Amino acid sequence: DVKVTQSSRYLVKRTGEKVFLECVQDMDHENMFWYRQDPGLGLRLIYFSYDVKMKEKGDIPEGYSVSREKKERFSLILESASTNQTSMYLCASSFPPGGITDTQYFGPGTRLTVL
Amino acid sequence: ILNVEQSPQSLHVQEGDSTNFTCSFPSSNFYALHWYRWETAKSPEALFVMTLNGDEKKKGRISATLNTKEGYSYLYIKGSQPEDSATYLCAFRTGAAGNKLTFGGGTRVLVKP
Repeated sequence: DVKVTQSSRYLVKRTGEKVFLECVQDMDHENMFWYRQDPGLGLRLIYFSYDVKMKEKGDIPEGYSVSREKKERFSLILESASTNQTSMYLCASSFPPGGITDTQYFGPGTRLTVL
Repeated sequence: ILNVEQSPQSLHVQEGDSTNFTCSFPSSNFYALHWYRWETAKSPEALFVMTLNGDEKKKGRISATLNTKEGYSYLYIKGSQPEDSATYLCAFRTGAAGNKLTFGGGTRVLVKP
């Protein structure tokens, strides 16, 4: 089974802190994604990566950055956390592009609260 | 940003009853439509990937249909059980989007015993 793990299930941080959310997948997937989920808004794409050291902005990248130094690990960074970044963060991974039915596999999510 | 809408936002179903809900998406440049089920405290898991107009998929008591010309997909749950309680997400992919998916807001289903 594909396994996508995230470093924390729950996290509480202060405004202005630098926050790291880590995601690791064990299926050698090239693609990795970070989403945030807010009530009624579904999953919104923050950043994604097609390969090591490669990143592309998603729909809502402002206030976030990412790092992919190894194929299995994709980190989401909040440089200076703000209260409007309180949310559920989900990581996903998938097979390379070009497959018509490439499914994304998700981690369990990190619920981040910024006070 | 593509507009993918799901309705209703939530629904309550009596155990044993059947139900269905909708995902609407742009009818142009269609490539694939994904359905995911997201149970509380678990990871979203894939239910179906649908690619052709008229596609019908089935997994146990859950099935889905696809109409790419008019831009909608229905998900059906037959004889709902408490374990069907979850948020059901649809996600749309265009041919130009690589592996990017655009998600709808989800339909939260609560099955009452």
